[in-house]
Amino acid sequence: QQQVKQSPQSLIVQKGGISIINCAYENTAFDYFPWYQQFPGKGPALLIAIRPDVSEKKEGRFTISFNKSAKQFSLHIMDSQPGDSATYFCAASRGRGAQKLVFGQGTRLTINP
Amino acid sequence: DTAVSQTPKYLVTQMGNDKSIKCEQNLGHDTMYWYKQDSKKFLKIMFSYNNKELIINETVPNRFSPKSPDKAHLNLHINSLELGDSAVYFCASSREGTGLTKNIQYFGAGTRLSVL
Repeated sequence: QQQVKQSPQSLIVQKGGISIINCAYENTAFDYFPWYQQFPGKGPALLIAIRPDVSEKKEGRFTISFNKSAKQFSLHIMDSQPGDSATYFCAASRGRGAQKLVFGQGTRLTINP
Repeated sequence: DTAVSQTPKYLVTQMGNDKSIKCEQNLGHDTMYWYKQDSKKFLKIMFSYNNKELIINETVPNRFSPKSPDKAHLNLHINSLELGDSAVYFCASSREGTGLTKNIQYFGAGTRLSVL
């Protein structure tokens, strides 16, 4: 049972373009939705996160859009740069204490110069 | 200083062997985790410890046994290694608190395990 579904699996965007990655979740008890960025040979690192009480969060070129009724959220990378080329994971968790992060399948993003 | 460090970075071993992976965090966090990333890059939680107490234990074979000697360390011991255990294993840590910051998990660089 895949509780968080992510698409696309891979994405190629030209430098300066907008990269969009989408996720859908099933469990309405989830109350925390982070995006992680992973470079080859490294561990995932938190990029940006949102709670379901807001519809959008922006940090620099990265924006999360959240649609609670549709149980969907997406990552937008504006003015995409070659240095953004990495694998991106959406995730979700709920409750207090230790956070059992449920990850999406990942999106390999390539930004062409 | 590396915040979450894992050793070894690479581990190549034969089927049937027993091996351990060590993890240490210097962030003062209360909670530590083990994740498995398979060949398709899918990340799945295995275990979580809070102040040396096991609090998350996913459906993982009994051959995997985590051990937390103190809240800064979480080791993973694997008995009777199988081919299917080949993966990258990540350690992570987080802290208690409120708001969005309490949920941030900091990951180590991973241990690539290859079982031959």
